[in-house]
Amino acid sequence: DAMVIQNPRYQVTQFGKPVTLSCSQTLNHNVMYWYQQKSSQAPKLLFHYYDKDFNNEADTPDNFQSRRPNTSFCFLDIRSPGLGDAAMYLCATSSYGTDRYGYTFGSGTRLTVV
Amino acid sequence: GQNIDQPTEMTATEGAIVQINCTYQTSGFNGLFWYQQHAGEAPTFLSYNVLDGLEEKGRFSSFLSRSKGYSYLLLKELQMKDSASYLCAVSVRRGTDKLIFGTGTRLQVFP
Repeated sequence: DAMVIQNPRYQVTQFGKPVTLSCSQTLNHNVMYWYQQKSSQAPKLLFHYYDKDFNNEADTPDNFQSRRPNTSFCFLDIRSPGLGDAAMYLCATSSYGTDRYGYTFGSGTRLTVV
Repeated sequence: GQNIDQPTEMTATEGAIVQINCTYQTSGFNGLFWYQQHAGEAPTFLSYNVLDGLEEKGRFSSFLSRSKGYSYLLLKELQMKDSASYLCAVSVRRGTDKLIFGTGTRLQVFP
């Protein structure tokens, strides 16, 4: 089935040690999004790619970077994770333009910082 | 800025009906979504409204009034498995679309 896949499902990293989360999709969607969701909070958009065009949210810390080497893959890099970066990270995709089928979410990566 | 408000928590009884409200103030409105999210899992799509009115899908219905910046999700014949967070999300368009989420409503269904 076409889907959005995030790896790993759970990631533990050390304080200050760079970590990369990955997302792949088989939907051939133009747009890929990264959201951060902390416990009991709503998902917060970090940035998104429309094709190769990168769109950063104004309040996304510089500590967070992203790469999209091709249509299928998108990576979230956290250069120096702090304890406050522990969260669920959700990847989502959509075709250009909002449609009634919504955005497709991956299962998420839960990041723990020790 | 973008502002989407929902009640934080609601409780209801199995078999009952519950209405979860959402009010929003956003720029570039391009549709409103409702998602269900169980603890520790990704959001799953429930409904989409872009025109005013009611959309019905089985036990779930969603209503939109664009002039009032208001939506609600109606859940009928509640089941225990409906205990989850319900997220109201607005699609805004500035160049490309992006989905902005409300704070979410945690619903607990009791027997």
